[in-house]
Amino acid sequence: DTEVTQTPKHLVMGMTNKKSLKCEQHMGHRAMYWYKQKAKKPPELMFVYSYEKLSINESVPSRFSPECPNSSLLNLHLHALQPEDSALYLCASSLDPGTPWETQYFGPGTRLLVL
Amino acid sequence: KQEVTQIPAALSVPEGENLVLNCSFTDSAIYNLQWFRQDPGKGLTSLLLIQSSQREQTSGRLNASLDKSSGRSTLYIAASQPGDSATYLCAVDEVYNQGGKLIFGQGTELSVKP
Repeated sequence: DTEVTQTPKHLVMGMTNKKSLKCEQHMGHRAMYWYKQKAKKPPELMFVYSYEKLSINESVPSRFSPECPNSSLLNLHLHALQPEDSALYLCASSLDPGTPWETQYFGPGTRLLVL
Repeated sequence: KQEVTQIPAALSVPEGENLVLNCSFTDSAIYNLQWFRQDPGKGLTSLLLIQSSQREQTSGRLNASLDKSSGRSTLYIAASQPGDSATYLCAVDEVYNQGGKLIFGQGTELSVKP
């Protein structure tokens, strides 16, 4: 099973709402990633978790709060977002960061619209 | 700072043509270079991964090459089909960042006409 699942597929939220994105994988991968992708742009890395610990935070605003409860699950908690945060949010996983022969497996993404 | 550039930004070809997509990067200190495919509104699918010590990788009609010294990679697609229509992204995994931080090019949007 080489699948990364993400829920929900679509999300509409107001600027005062609190919501969460969920990502799950059962491939035994120990690295998980959150990316943000705006229309017609490449994905931009937000966070990396390695062995359930946050290893990279790409200076993301605090209104985005990641959480890795266990090795299979990754959440992204959203609070007080701005309309410019509307984007496709992609989750990915890999066996281990820094393993040069291993790729990242991406989920289908959550399309977020902030009103 | 690593920069990844893809040329062309968009490409339209008739079915059956062989085609080449180009990717260049500015810093050769990489673990690997990867090619991904993305369909509109979808996630990324890994096509090929070339480790820094390798020169090329092949999968079916796809062949990717890597020249680390010149900072270039090409993705060759043989006998293109309408189902190949998608955006193709190349990405490098730098050695400076504990691994796992992919830096993407802007992508090439490919359209294969029947």
